[in-house]
Amino acid sequence: NAGVTQTPKFRILKIGQSMTLQCTQDMNHNYMYWYRQDPGMGLKLIYYSVGAGITDKGEVPNGYNVSRSTTEDFPLRLELAAPSQTSVYFCASSYAGTSTDTQYFGPGTRLTVL
Amino acid sequence: GQNIDQPTEMTATEGAIVQINCTYQTSGFNGLFWYQQHAGEAPTFLSYNVLDGLEEKGRFSSFLSRSKGYSYLLLKELQMKDSASYLCAVGRLGGYNKLIFGAGTRLAVHP
Repeated sequence: NAGVTQTPKFRILKIGQSMTLQCTQDMNHNYMYWYRQDPGMGLKLIYYSVGAGITDKGEVPNGYNVSRSTTEDFPLRLELAAPSQTSVYFCASSYAGTSTDTQYFGPGTRLTVL
Repeated sequence: GQNIDQPTEMTATEGAIVQINCTYQTSGFNGLFWYQQHAGEAPTFLSYNVLDGLEEKGRFSSFLSRSKGYSYLLLKELQMKDSASYLCAVGRLGGYNKLIFGAGTRLAVHP
């Protein structure tokens, strides 16, 4: 099992550009999450999904969009990149969405917006 | 509201024992997780406590006191590879934010 994979590992964007961060999991997990991690800060939840076709906002959703057309994939879209979106982005998945369920993280995407 | 506090940085010597504390205030508490995160890598699960007391897993142990809103992660026989950030995360009942993360404690292990 590859677990949770993310692409790209690194990306530099100019202000106003758009991009999609890819996330795939092969554990047949129902729940998937997108977090961002800023230096010296905890992970903040951007969006999450409870299954194919169902997504919902987390704590910091502004400037992002998601879709979940399959169980495996959960891409995160930035439409108009801003310097405030410079961060490390982690995708995670869990079998269930309870607070006791372990989340498994991908390796992250380091994004810089200049 | 919710708040999780842990020290920003700690240093320790190889072979020693270190305790990383975490205090929290949250509604709907439903367990406490510890994750390890090496620089530039993803967080990986270390331990989970939902009842008061100590959970031991090899060199790592985690303790929880729900009445005090307090947990600690104990690392014994420190190795250089234990140099990493340790994230305390609180599980919550209800709402979208099922897992609230602290900022992490960066541990540096020296020879």
